[in-house]
Amino acid sequence: EVQLVESGGGLVQPGRSLKLSCPTSGFTFGDYAMGWFRQTPGKRPEWVGFIRSQAYGGATEYAASVKDRFTISRDDSQGIAYLQMDSLKAEDTGVYYCTRGGYVWGTYRYVFDYWGQGALVTVSS
Amino acid sequence: DIQLTQSPSSLSASVGDRITITCQASQGISSFVNWYQQKVGKAPKLLIHHASTLQRGVPSRFSGSGSGTDFTFTISSLQPEDVATYYCQRFDNLPLTFGGGTKVEIK
Repeated sequence: EVQLVESGGGLVQPGRSLKLSCPTSGFTFGDYAMGWFRQTPGKRPEWVGFIRSQAYGGATEYAASVKDRFTISRDDSQGIAYLQMDSLKAEDTGVYYCTRGGYVWGTYRYVFDYWGQGALVTVSS
Repeated sequence: DIQLTQSPSSLSASVGDRITITCQASQGISSFVNWYQQKVGKAPKLLIHHASTLQRGVPSRFSGSGSGTDFTFTISSLQPEDVATYYCQRFDNLPLTFGGGTKVEIK
């Protein structure tokens, strides 16, 4: 059974940092991209970014709203994905979801098929 | 960025009814559309990928169709456990974006 469990959420002041972890199980972690999405109550989900597998260089992509502030990384030996969030703003408040990205052969695209239960991040003074 | 417009924003139907949700892209996106179900307090769940392919383990009453700019999601016989918000999502290019959602309730 595929499992992703986010941890590390909480209350943080504007301008500070927070790091989310996403330990996984039930699949070969190194074969997949890992993505992060976020959502505020009553709103549609918003893509944050993703990291490709090492087979595709482990390259990262980010939404414009978080680029240069957030960093996604991965530890293939432990099966864990991370989201480092720096210079946090009030508008970064939301539930953050870790997701598994299956590569669509020949298209350079990914389908994010499994999602964790989410971690709440609140940015407030 | 390409926008996705979903309609209706909400609907109420009886158990056993057939319901349809539409998702229109502001530009052609081939078949690079997924459909997710999100129940209250839960994470989104992938139901349909590539516009019409049923994700493994998802009941066959769910289906999707379309390509280019117009996409349709159908529940052939609405069940009480289908109460949720449904989102279309495009993955043709970055940034990945979602439609505004359709809240489905039981009449």
